[in-house]
Amino acid sequence: GAVVSQHPSWVICKSGTSVKIECRSLDFQATTMFWYRQFPKQSLMLMATSNEGSKATYEQGVEKDKFLINHASLTLSTLTVTSAHPEDSSFYICSASSLPTSGRTHEQFFGPGTRLTVL
Amino acid sequence: AQSVAQPEDQVNVAEGNPLTVKCTYSVSGNPYLFWYVQYPNRGLQFLLKYITGDNLVKGSYGFEAEFNKSQTSFHLKKPSALVSDSALYFCAVRDRGGSYIPTFGRGTSLIVHP
Repeated sequence: GAVVSQHPSWVICKSGTSVKIECRSLDFQATTMFWYRQFPKQSLMLMATSNEGSKATYEQGVEKDKFLINHASLTLSTLTVTSAHPEDSSFYICSASSLPTSGRTHEQFFGPGTRLTVL
Repeated sequence: AQSVAQPEDQVNVAEGNPLTVKCTYSVSGNPYLFWYVQYPNRGLQFLLKYITGDNLVKGSYGFEAEFNKSQTSFHLKKPSALVSDSALYFCAVRDRGGSYIPTFGRGTSLIVHP
């Protein structure tokens, strides 16, 4: 299957700093990338969907100014948590889809996740 | 609208016994259905999918799932469980004629006892 990487795998930062998480599709072109947040023992919460070259679409309740998403190329999307606070501590997972959105579907390929801890 | 339900938070099974993880869905049209597995502190791994064709779908690691349209179910099964199968399992659905964004269930923790 296709491979998606995330970097870093874990990060600890001080409150008020910004953290950037990278998501890369290593062997395919990802027209669409998804960013999820997962709390302990809970399901995935979709934060936003991004298409290469266009602005991300954020889910209701997700602050777009706090969680900046950039999908500059077909293989790279970044999530920047700005002015992080302890409540932003979570497990962030990205996924990528290799096919056009209209009329087609396939499984998503997930990155390994990034554990963010804000002190 | 699309939704998916995993009615069990946790499933316990003895090693060597068959296992079933339940999933039911709701879509306006026809569904695409998926199962993923998540090991601790890891991302999700794809197990199998139903797109069209045979209702019985075989996937990775000996898992299979049966699409039942009349019961709107897509239960995950394995004939003989392994301790290493212990993980969190997610069912996902996408309406074929709707949003391209799938909806995930809340997850079921599978615990296989030696």
